[in-house]
Amino acid sequence: DTGVSQNPRHKITKRGQNVTFRCDPISEHNRLYWYRQTLGQGPEFLTYFQNEAQLEKSRLLSDRFSAERPKGSFSTLEIQRTEQGDSAMYLCASSLDVGNSLYNEQFFGPGTRLTVL
Amino acid sequence: AQSVSQHNHHVILSEAASLELGCNYSYGGTVNLFWYVQYPGQHLQLLLKYFSGDPLVKGIKGFEAEFIKSKFSFNLRKPSVQWSDTAEYFCAVNVYSSASKIIFGSGTRLSIRP
Repeated sequence: DTGVSQNPRHKITKRGQNVTFRCDPISEHNRLYWYRQTLGQGPEFLTYFQNEAQLEKSRLLSDRFSAERPKGSFSTLEIQRTEQGDSAMYLCASSLDVGNSLYNEQFFGPGTRLTVL
Repeated sequence: AQSVSQHNHHVILSEAASLELGCNYSYGGTVNLFWYVQYPGQHLQLLLKYFSGDPLVKGIKGFEAEFIKSKFSFNLRKPSVQWSDTAEYFCAVNVYSSASKIIFGSGTRLSIRP
């Protein structure tokens, strides 16, 4: 399968614990995005990377959240001291920016569903 | 701030009925517009997109959408739905000057009675 993959698919944790999710984008896609989706809502943008550089962060991304893409390939999203309000589906997407288009289609992964007890 | 409104939270139709899902966005500048679909247990997939040109765009599986700039609308249509169209549909906008994030509506759940 050459699509976007995310691991784990499900994570249950206790409040106050740290969790880390991984996203593997489509090979050679230079842009990678993180979104969060809560029940009954559409995905909300969190942050995105162009290669290894984190270029934009939403106000939704509190200081307990950190995302990295160290080698410009896979990315990790860490949530420290989880709270019940962090329970959501965390989606990753990737796209190929060739520099001459104002929009490049984003391909979404299956998501990681986080439940904080 | 930009936003996207989908007025129908849940739509229930019988097979062969016609479908129209409403979508309005708030942004005064140039936008790219999308409809995404999420079938049960599957990833978000792009159904169709509008960048420029003909305001009537055709997507996969017989879906189409019309961009009406004066109404800030991008409604999704299908003349005859099938049971397999049961899914959640999201309207989304990408601001022309910010070729990164997509802003999604809250989604419309479509249920088709066989």
